[in-house]
Amino acid sequence: GQNIDQPTEMTATEGAIVQINCTYQTSGFNGLFWYQQHAGEAPTFLSYNVLDGLEEKGRFSSFLSRSKGYSYLLLKELQMKDSASYLCAALDYNQGGKLIFGQGTELSVKP
Amino acid sequence: NAGVMQNPRHLVRRRGQEARLRCSPMKGHSHVYWYRQLPEEGLKFMVYLQKENIIDESGMPKERFSAEFPKEGPSILRIQQVVRGDSAAYFCASSPGSGAETQYFGPGTRLLVL
Repeated sequence: GQNIDQPTEMTATEGAIVQINCTYQTSGFNGLFWYQQHAGEAPTFLSYNVLDGLEEKGRFSSFLSRSKGYSYLLLKELQMKDSASYLCAALDYNQGGKLIFGQGTELSVKP
Repeated sequence: NAGVMQNPRHLVRRRGQEARLRCSPMKGHSHVYWYRQLPEEGLKFMVYLQKENIIDESGMPKERFSAEFPKEGPSILRIQQVVRGDSAAYFCASSPGSGAETQYFGPGTRLLVL
C-alpha cells in the first residue's frame, strides 16, 4: 500500500530549530519532496531527496534514509513567516511520477 | 517567466451544474498533474496528462470527472453534475518531464458547491 505519515501540528519559538519527521511506504519510490503551503495558497517547492543523506539549502535542510523509509525537514533560525503547513510527498514512479502526499504538518512559530 | 496559471481562482456552482477548471503549465513544461485538497486533508493525486494523452488517471472518481490536455490550449478538469462533496481546492502542477522532475504548483481553483 501507499502511506505517508507526518505529525499533524507542531509549535516552535522564533529563532529556534525545528525538525519535522515523515515516514513513508510506497511502491515505485523515486524520491521525497518537501513543500511549504501557506493558508489559501499553492504549495511551493522546498527540497527533493533521492539519495540517502542530508541536503542543505540556506535555513532549510532535508534528510532521507531509503532503507528506513524516513525523511525529515529541518528549519533553523525560525522566523514568524515560517508558520505554514509543510507537506511531505513521495514520488511514485510506477506510472510516470505522481506525488503521494502526507496530510501536512501545521507549524506555528511563536515570538 | 510565468508560473503555472489556473483559472478561475474561485468558482461557485449549484448542485447539478458543471464545473470547468483550466490549467496552463509553465513554459517548456509538457506534463500536467491535477490534485484535489479537501478541507482539513492532504493533497490527493487525481490525474497525470501529457499533450493529448492521459498517462495515469488512477485517482479520478469513476463518474462525473474527466480531464484533457489538448495539443493547443490549457488542460481542463471537468466535473459534471457537481455535488456538495466536490467542494475543494483543485491544484494543477506541471513539470518539464516525468519521473524525478520537480512539480511546480499553480495557485489552485477553489470550488464551492451550494
